[in-house]
Amino acid sequence: QSALTQPPSVSAAPGQMVTISCSGSSSNVGNNYVSWYQQLPGTVPKLFIYDNNKRPSGIPDRVSGSKSGTSATLGITGLQTGDEADYYCGAWDSSLSVYVFGTGTKVTVL
Amino acid sequence: EVQLVQSGAEVKKPGDSLKISCKTSGYGFPSFWIAWVRQLPGKGLEWMGVIYPDDSDTRYSPSFQGQVVISVDKSISTAYLQWSSLKASDSAIYYCARSKLWFDYWGHGTLVTVSS
Repeated sequence: QSALTQPPSVSAAPGQMVTISCSGSSSNVGNNYVSWYQQLPGTVPKLFIYDNNKRPSGIPDRVSGSKSGTSATLGITGLQTGDEADYYCGAWDSSLSVYVFGTGTKVTVL
Repeated sequence: EVQLVQSGAEVKKPGDSLKISCKTSGYGFPSFWIAWVRQLPGKGLEWMGVIYPDDSDTRYSPSFQGQVVISVDKSISTAYLQWSSLKASDSAIYYCARSKLWFDYWGHGTLVTVSS
């Protein structure tokens, strides 16, 4: 199955904002809920955003998610060194009947 | 508290069989899908397949269909991932995760190393 497309890396200074894009198609991002996962170095992936824009308990409100058409975006404001991680988007693909993850984006705090 | 506890790291030889486990607790096991996710060394996440414990309805990614078998034992709230003949390319971390339209709880991962 084809993965959703994310930029390999994004970076910003502490306190700044980063956005990560996730591009798919009408069979996945366009017509199904998008979720995002944070994977800190050497750790287990953690649910970061679900249902396109909902934050699980414990995820701060400086984290946001949005979706428009066949693309979704994860935003993190007030960037902290603890935000350095890999981030993955994901969505169910209705045509292929598989779940597809994004290619992953490494966030670096300069 | 929801917990998914996976079996320990494995070192196997090519051609060996293997069954790893994911023991769950803290929620109604039969009512939530359980997915398996592979992460190759230094690579991203790959969805392998999912199982609904109540009736063992199982879906596989075409990439993994025929390569692995996903199963459950409802009596002990445990899901399994098994191989009949491992290859070196199966060396990876394997995660189980409780699955809705997203994955809200994850196991700690099982590192599988296949080497001659």
